[in-house]
Amino acid sequence: DAGVIQSPRHEVTEMGQEVTLRCKPISGHNSLFWYRQTMMRGLELLIYFNNNVPIDDSGMPEDRFSAKMPNASFSTLKIQPSEPRDSAVYFCASTIYLGGSGYTFGSGTRLTVV
Amino acid sequence: QKEVEQNSGPLSVPEGAIASLNCTYSDRGSQSFFWYRQYSGKSPELIMSIYSNGDKEDGRFTAQLNKASQYVSLLIRDSQPSDSATYLCAVKDSGYSTLTFGKGTMLLVSP
Repeated sequence: DAGVIQSPRHEVTEMGQEVTLRCKPISGHNSLFWYRQTMMRGLELLIYFNNNVPIDDSGMPEDRFSAKMPNASFSTLKIQPSEPRDSAVYFCASTIYLGGSGYTFGSGTRLTVV
Repeated sequence: QKEVEQNSGPLSVPEGAIASLNCTYSDRGSQSFFWYRQYSGKSPELIMSIYSNGDKEDGRFTAQLNKASQYVSLLIRDSQPSDSATYLCAVKDSGYSTLTFGKGTMLLVSP
């Protein structure tokens, strides 16, 4: 099993540019989560999907953030336009079903907006 | 809003000692409790889960849960330098809820 796969690993972009982060969950996992991690705020849940359907996006900080899951094996998190305060590590995680225990995290995308 | 509190540390212990990591949570409805380990620059990795009051042991790790006090702890026996990492406490309600994470405690084990 390849685990949760995220790309890119690092992204440096200029303020105002569009950024797209990608995630492939573990095959057979029905729930997918996008987290953001900063020193100040720790791990924050941005949005999660169950069976490809967005369930709760209340953690998305602003309308500049959007996420999609067009099928069971792919999800994107988009920031448009990006701002320096968006700089963080973005993790994708998946689990077999929403009521299950423990999440498997991807390696993360370190985003730097200059 | 659910809160999970951890001392940020660093907690420094000598090699071979017992490291004790603590976590408190605000939601009395919480049912499932997890400890994740995160090495610098890496992703969180699940190391322990506990659901019932009392102790749960797995190798050198022991998780302790006291729901009445809303308190979870992780003990690491015979600490090794390779245990140096940030330990994240995570809490989950019953049913179809998501994990809420604490900010983590940094553990440093010196040789």
